[in-house]
Amino acid sequence: DVEMTQFPLSLSVTLGQPASISCRSSQSLVYSDGNTYLNWFLQRPGQPPRRLIYKVSNRDSGVPGRFSGSGSGTDFTLKISRVEAEDVGVYYCLQGTHWPPEFGQGTKVEI
Amino acid sequence: QVQLVQSGGGVVQPGRSLSLSCTASGLAFSSHAMNWVRQSPDKGLEWVASITYDGSNYFHADSVKGRFTVSRDNSLNTLFLHMRSLRPEDTAVYYCTTLDTLGTTDDYWGQGTLVTISS
Repeated sequence: DVEMTQFPLSLSVTLGQPASISCRSSQSLVYSDGNTYLNWFLQRPGQPPRRLIYKVSNRDSGVPGRFSGSGSGTDFTLKISRVEAEDVGVYYCLQGTHWPPEFGQGTKVEI
Repeated sequence: QVQLVQSGGGVVQPGRSLSLSCTASGLAFSSHAMNWVRQSPDKGLEWVASITYDGSNYFHADSVKGRFTVSRDNSLNTLFLHMRSLRPEDTAVYYCTTLDTLGTTDDYWGQGTLVTISS
């Protein structure tokens, strides 16, 4: 199985300042069709996870523009340009290129 | 508005069985593959099982293979997870979800249901 490693595991941020989370996979996430199936989720306290980003850099509907995803191969990054209070929670990366799907261990973001 | 409403769960003894269900509304349920994902403090988020849109194929994580069975009834817009020979390490919040890892559709999750395996 593919291992997904996130860092840092905990991040203390300042409102209005940028934040960045990294995710590394044990194998390349480039699929045979040329796509890279790397997703980012946010789980707010007491809620189920919500997908923010799919295929590395595509924002889901309703996701603010301050969230951006980048990366390739085995190294990926989620960036928040200016952190807002509602961004608090745990962020997870998820790979869908290889079976079975695997989540990273999560990065807890707090203000 | 899409809703995935889960039921089932609770506290059961090791070795016993339990079933979960997840009923969809506002979603073309029969067009979506569906999944179960669980979350525990020890293991974080873990994919448990998937079933194709028509129920013709299904897959289970190695950790539950032979003990858990995913199924669906498209006439009821409902997804099921039948769990047997439960172990303490199966203790988790279980979510039903479309878990669209390929970005082909919107991603939806149920509210989660707690399963506790304890004597």
